[in-house]
Amino acid sequence: EAGVVQSPRYKIIEKKQPVAFWCNPISGHNTLYWYLQNLGQGPELLIRYENEEAVDDSQLPKDRFSAERLKGVDSTLKIQPAELGDSAVYLCASSLDLVTDTQYFGPGTRLTVL
Amino acid sequence: KQEVTQIPAALSVPEGENLVLNCSFTDSAIYNLQWFRQDPGKGLTSLLLIQSSQREQTSGRLNASLDKSSGRSTLYIAASQPGDSATYLCAVYTGGFKTIFGAGTRLFVKA
Repeated sequence: EAGVVQSPRYKIIEKKQPVAFWCNPISGHNTLYWYLQNLGQGPELLIRYENEEAVDDSQLPKDRFSAERLKGVDSTLKIQPAELGDSAVYLCASSLDLVTDTQYFGPGTRLTVL
Repeated sequence: KQEVTQIPAALSVPEGENLVLNCSFTDSAIYNLQWFRQDPGKGLTSLLLIQSSQREQTSGRLNASLDKSSGRSTLYIAASQPGDSATYLCAVYTGGFKTIFGAGTRLFVKA
């Protein structure tokens, strides 16, 4: 069974430029999560989807961040414009359901904003 | 607001030693608690998931316990090996449908 796929693995951009991250969850997983992880810290939830519906986006900085999960399968997270403080690892995870199932994580995208 | 704390932040042990990693949380209203492993530059790998009604879970050399009333969980690793070197994170799934992670314990097992 294929795991959670993320691309790109690494991205270096100049500040004020846009950037997008892509995630393909494990087949059949209804719940998809985007996390941000700073160095030496645990992941922090940005947004959670149940199928195509964003059910928790309270931590997503909506002035510059946006996300979508069309057709309830793969998902894209976008930052526009990027700021220096956005440098971090962006992790995608998926699970069968919200309460009883473990979360399976992708390898992450390491973003560096110069 | 739920807060998750992991102690120690870093740990170095000789190969073969048994060790315990600690995780504490401030709000006992959780649905489950998970322990994850993260290797440098990699994503997280789930090790054990304990539902709120359970007291412990075991997988191979790993045993995780959960005491909701005291807001504590421990991860016990038996007969540690150099391949166990990684960062171990615990995460609680709260009544607000949020997953809150601790900052992790960086483990180094010396050969």
